Amino acid sequence: IAGITQAPTSQILAAGRRMTLRCTQDMRHNAMYWYRQDLGLGLRLIHYSNTAGTTGKGEVPDGYSVSRANTDDFPLTLASAVPSQTSVYFCASSDDEGQPQHFGDGTRLSIL
Amino acid sequence: QKEVEQDPGPLSVPEGAIVSLNCTYSNSAFQYFMWYRQYSRKGPELLMYTYSSGNKEDGRFTAQVDKSSKYISLFIRDSQPSDSATYLCAMSATSGAGSYQLTFGKGTKLSVIP
Repeated sequence: IAGITQAPTSQILAAGRRMTLRCTQDMRHNAMYWYRQDLGLGLRLIHYSNTAGTTGKGEVPDGYSVSRANTDDFPLTLASAVPSQTSVYFCASSDDEGQPQHFGDGTRLSIL
Repeated sequence: QKEVEQDPGPLSVPEGAIVSLNCTYSNSAFQYFMWYRQYSRKGPELLMYTYSSGNKEDGRFTAQVDKSSKYISLFIRDSQPSDSATYLCAMSATSGAGSYQLTFGKGTKLSVIP
């Protein structure tokens, strides 16, 4: 079934460690996104990429980095994890301007 | 004022009831409007997608957009326990920097009681 695959599904991580969340899509969508979802705050955009080779900052980019080497993959890296980065992380993709975004099932990350 | 306002609920209704979910927004440039459904421990899934003003119906679901009032609604007829989920509205503008980006409401948690 076509869609977005995120890995891992959950992770417990010690503060200060480096972590990369993986996201792969097989829909050949141009744009990809990373969100975090926190109770009471909703979905907040971390970083996005409108096309392979380009990235941009969203609402809450600090402490996170992304790369977009090809169309299908959009990894999110936490260089040095902090407890405030405990959240559920969702990757999404969309085909074109204004088109709906399609989401993965998320990575549940706990930073201790 | 937040760009998109959505009552977080929770909203609890009996099975078979008509449910009305709403969002208001402030950015007049929004042209694309969506509703997502999110089950517990799952990602949001697209439920309805409309462009500009008007109504769109899909089975038991109807989406309405009133751009003059900056108000969108999702109606669920004959609600079922399987409709119990969090519903998120989302919208985006047509052009300009960041036009691929969606602005989301915080979601309304719905429970349909058998």
